[in-house]
Amino acid sequence: EVQLVESGGGLVQPGGSLRLSCAASGFTFSNYKMNWVRQAPGKGLEWISYISSSGATILYADSVKGRFTISRDNAKDSLYLQMNSLRVEDTAIYYCARERPKYRSPTAYWGQGTLVTVSS
Amino acid sequence: SYELTQPPSVSVSPGQTARITCSGDALPNQYAYWYQQQPGQAPVLVIYKDTERPSGIPERFSGSSSGTTVTLTISGVQAEDEADYYCQSTDSNGTVFGGGTKLTVL
Repeated sequence: EVQLVESGGGLVQPGGSLRLSCAASGFTFSNYKMNWVRQAPGKGLEWISYISSSGATILYADSVKGRFTISRDNAKDSLYLQMNSLRVEDTAIYYCARERPKYRSPTAYWGQGTLVTVSS
Repeated sequence: SYELTQPPSVSVSPGQTARITCSGDALPNQYAYWYQQQPGQAPVLVIYKDTERPSGIPERFSGSSSGTTVTLTISGVQAEDEADYYCQSTDSNGTVFGGGTKLTVL
């Protein structure tokens, strides 16, 4: 069974940093592309970053480009999101999501999310 | 990246048919996906590649595509279908979600 468990969320002041982790299990992590998606309170889904299975290709949404860094450690079955220069508008639940190649879906499997609150 | 446009809300009575649209200029060239999100839960994929239904998703959920618009149809709506629904598509720059549609079962 595919399992994705996010951690690392919490309360941080504007301008601060936070590192999110996503622990994967139930599949061969190194074979799959991964994404981070966030959802602000009461708002819709926003894709923020993508990383290929090897880590060679990385994409970011304009809203986080230059502030957030996605990475992965295939030996540890883990995905990361380093968030710097955080803003109040970055407050959201952050989900990691895995592709399902059979469906050509980039985000067929989701974790339960971790809440990031940016506030003074 | 381009935009996907959904109506903010759709309301139907139980047993009726709900149709939720999603419009975007790139949709004729890219697959669309649909997600259901219940309050406090992660999204669940209900339609992939415009019209395909994942295993475990009830047959009352279906998808269609015509030009720049894709449509999620829920036939014989049940109370448990009340949720937020999001369309999604991808291009070389990443992934885009529609703004979401709240389905209310009257």
